[in-house]
Amino acid sequence: GAVVSQHPSWVICKSGTSVKIECRSLDFQATTMFWYRQFPKQSLMLMATSNEGSKATYEQGVEKDKFLINHASLTLSTLTVTSAHPEDSSFYICSPYRVDTGELFFGEGSRLTVL
Amino acid sequence: DAKTTQPTSMDCAEGRAANLPCNHSTISGNEYVYWYRQIHSQGPQYIIHGLKNNETNEMASLIITEDRKSSTLILPHATLRDTAVYYCIVRVPGYSTLTFGKGTMLLVSP
Repeated sequence: GAVVSQHPSWVICKSGTSVKIECRSLDFQATTMFWYRQFPKQSLMLMATSNEGSKATYEQGVEKDKFLINHASLTLSTLTVTSAHPEDSSFYICSPYRVDTGELFFGEGSRLTVL
Repeated sequence: DAKTTQPTSMDCAEGRAANLPCNHSTISGNEYVYWYRQIHSQGPQYIIHGLKNNETNEMASLIITEDRKSSTLILPHATLRDTAVYYCIVRVPGYSTLTFGKGTMLLVSP
């Protein structure tokens, strides 16, 4: 079956630093990548949608300058949390869309803790 | 995506069938019913989906009422590893995201 690799699984950083999360589709091409975040005891909330080679579209309330998304290739997308603060501590999950089958997949998630 | 309504939590004894209900009374004709689950601190896992016919795979069965306003996910022999939050989502297949509600927390006990 299709495999999605999201990395790192967890990261702890100091306030003010930037953190990059990678999401790879290992055996299929993902023309679109959805990024979600999940705060404790809450459901997944869509943050942004990115299409390969285009700028990402952000959901209301998500700062595009804070959450930088790069989707330069069909197998790799990155989310960079810039100048992270404790309120950015959350579980971030990527979801690549496989265009040839119409399936949506999910990464294993990255737990970010900002001290 | 149309909204769905699920119970907040359910309990099930290990080895018994777990029946998780979902109401989706405003579902439109081209929307499918999808079920995902999320085990603690992991990404969501696809379980099954269907349009109007009942569906079965190696993980579960999906029963959709004739009017399509509700459905039931059945885990025939629940195990402790089935403890998770289960999400029922209605969606048009293809290029569209998933809108997650609060889901049902299923606790499988020995």
